[in-house]
Amino acid sequence: DVKVTQSSRYLVKRTGEKVFLECVQDMDHENMFWYRQDPGLGLRLIYFSYDVKMKEKGDIPEGYSVSREKKERFSLILESASTNQTSMYLCASSSSDRYSDFGEGSWLTVV
Amino acid sequence: DQQVKQNSPSLSVQEGRISILNCDYTNSMFDYFLWYKKYPAEGPTFLISISSIKDKNEDGRFTVFLNKSAKHLSLHIVPSQPGDSAVYFCAAVDSDKLIFGTGTRLQVFP
Repeated sequence: DVKVTQSSRYLVKRTGEKVFLECVQDMDHENMFWYRQDPGLGLRLIYFSYDVKMKEKGDIPEGYSVSREKKERFSLILESASTNQTSMYLCASSSSDRYSDFGEGSWLTVV
Repeated sequence: DQQVKQNSPSLSVQEGRISILNCDYTNSMFDYFLWYKKYPAEGPTFLISISSIKDKNEDGRFTVFLNKSAKHLSLHIVPSQPGDSAVYFCAAVDSDKLIFGTGTRLQVFP
């Protein structure tokens, strides 16, 4: 079974802090994604990556950046956290199977 | 613009009856669709998918129907069980990315 692991389940950060959310997948998938889920808005794509060192903006990239130095690891970075970035963050990976497997999610609260 | 829409934010169904969750899309180029189920504080899990070359796909209690001319798909759960209570997201595949709807919260009561 594919396993997508998000390192932090629950985080509380202060406004202006730099935040790293880490995601690791163990199935050698080419594609990795970061989403955020907010009530009434569904899952919105922040950034994605089709290969190492490649990144593409999703629908809501503002305030975020990503890093993919190794195929199995995809990091989401909030350079200066703000309260409107309080959300549940979901990492996913996929290959040519045509569906994505998701991690358990990271709940981020910015105070 | 929302390319994938789930217009019912919630649905309540009695145990044993059918649950029907609906999803509409705007882009006629979409050719593959998926349904995910999500429990609170967990990541979404893949449920069932359908390709545009089919109009129906079935897996146990779950059936997905696709009406390409109407750009509409639906997920049928028969019979519904309390463990089916969750948020259901439909998604369309767009160049290896998934475009999600806003979700429908299903509650199955005894």
